[in-house]
Amino acid sequence: GENVEQHPSTLSVQEGDSAVIKCTYSDSASNYFPWYKQELGKGPQLIIDIRSNVGEKKDQRIAVTLNKTAKHFSLHITETQPEDSAVYFCAANPRNTGNQFYFGTGTSLTVIP
Amino acid sequence: GAVVSQHPSRVICKSGTSVKIECRSLDFQATTMFWYRQFPKQSLMLMATSNEGSKATYEQGVEKDKFLINHASLTLSTLTVTSAHPEDSSFYICSARGQGGQPQHFGDGTRLSIL
Repeated sequence: GENVEQHPSTLSVQEGDSAVIKCTYSDSASNYFPWYKQELGKGPQLIIDIRSNVGEKKDQRIAVTLNKTAKHFSLHITETQPEDSAVYFCAANPRNTGNQFYFGTGTSLTVIP
Repeated sequence: GAVVSQHPSRVICKSGTSVKIECRSLDFQATTMFWYRQFPKQSLMLMATSNEGSKATYEQGVEKDKFLINHASLTLSTLTVTSAHPEDSSFYICSARGQGGQPQHFGDGTRLSIL
């Protein structure tokens, strides 16, 4: 089955700096890669996603890149703000598993004011 | 955007009690709903997947007689933790997905504490 690895597990950045979180996946059948942000005591919220026919997608300060050959994808947050502090999860969805998502282990991001 | 409502947000009850958690998709039809369990500072652990009108598919190691899942309509799924014990204390989160490869949208979770 699919195996998603996520790094780093914790990340601290100064406000205004950029943050990068990386994930790798093992199943070449994966074709959909969402990123979720989870604040303390709440459920994960979708912040951006990318499909395998696209190499990069951007939404204001957030961008995601995908390298299908290397089987890795990354989340980039620019001009970080304290409210970006949260746990971020990547996920992969193999097309042959229907609806099941495989999640990374999460990255706890702290933005220092 | 897609909204998933989960209730209750917090439950504290005595050992042996059964607890029901509801998950509703408010503005879309959820053909598939998922139930996860999350331990502190850990990732989401998929417990079961349910499709509307059919029996849930449970992940290995999850007791289907203990964690009863019902997905009676395209907007509602329920998880009942039967005869709960302290080791069942956890954060339970549901998610819902519509047709056509839509993303999973999560509820805000239920913090279950069994005394």
